[in-house]
Amino acid sequence: RKEVEQDPGPFNVPEGATVAFNCTYSNSASQSFFWYRQDCRKEPKLLMSVYSSGNEDGRFTAQLNRASQYISLLIRDSKLSDSATYLCVVNKNFGNQFYFGTGTSLTVIP
Amino acid sequence: DTGVSQNPRHKITKRGQNVTFRCDPISEHNRLYWYRQTLGQGPEFLTYFQNEAQLEKSRLLSDRFSAERPKGSFSTLEIQRTEQGDSAMYLCASSKLLTGLETQYFGPGTRLLVL
Repeated sequence: RKEVEQDPGPFNVPEGATVAFNCTYSNSASQSFFWYRQDCRKEPKLLMSVYSSGNEDGRFTAQLNRASQYISLLIRDSKLSDSATYLCVVNKNFGNQFYFGTGTSLTVIP
Repeated sequence: DTGVSQNPRHKITKRGQNVTFRCDPISEHNRLYWYRQTLGQGPEFLTYFQNEAQLEKSRLLSDRFSAERPKGSFSTLEIQRTEQGDSAMYLCASSKLLTGLETQYFGPGTRLLVL
């Protein structure tokens, strides 16, 4: 079983729409959670860390559900510039491996 | 530019040749990671260093791959006797532990094509 699983999509949404991605992780001992954004042929860039209480950064909201072992990313009022692949990342413990999902592809359509 | 840098950005080589990539992390970061990424997949962990010590290697890493970080600053990743299956993007990331949370920052990657 993979450490991190994501729906690869693609998700094609109109501008202004709200879209949500989920990601499940297999190891209940996982401690840290992140969402990264990756543009085509570029490196991953940190979008946001995910905290137990949930956190928001502008149009982006991240949630963690430890009981069900999933994290989510909600994007409100989608912009064309949000088109990218969104990678879910899980870290078991400080100093251990970071596990990446395969990514979810988002295209925002005018 | 104080981010992670990688050289070269692109490398084309023939099967059987050796290649070496370099990563310069963010200066105050003591941890450095190497990943490999192929099309449609997320980055796959290869190995990581804390300062100059190599603390973990992926079981997927064959003996043809070796990495060093001799002075705890820059790192090199060498692939010997390259195979076509080695063609991928090789990403380096550095991190620092801050208030209990370790966050990785990636370099632009080295794109390898083995002919």
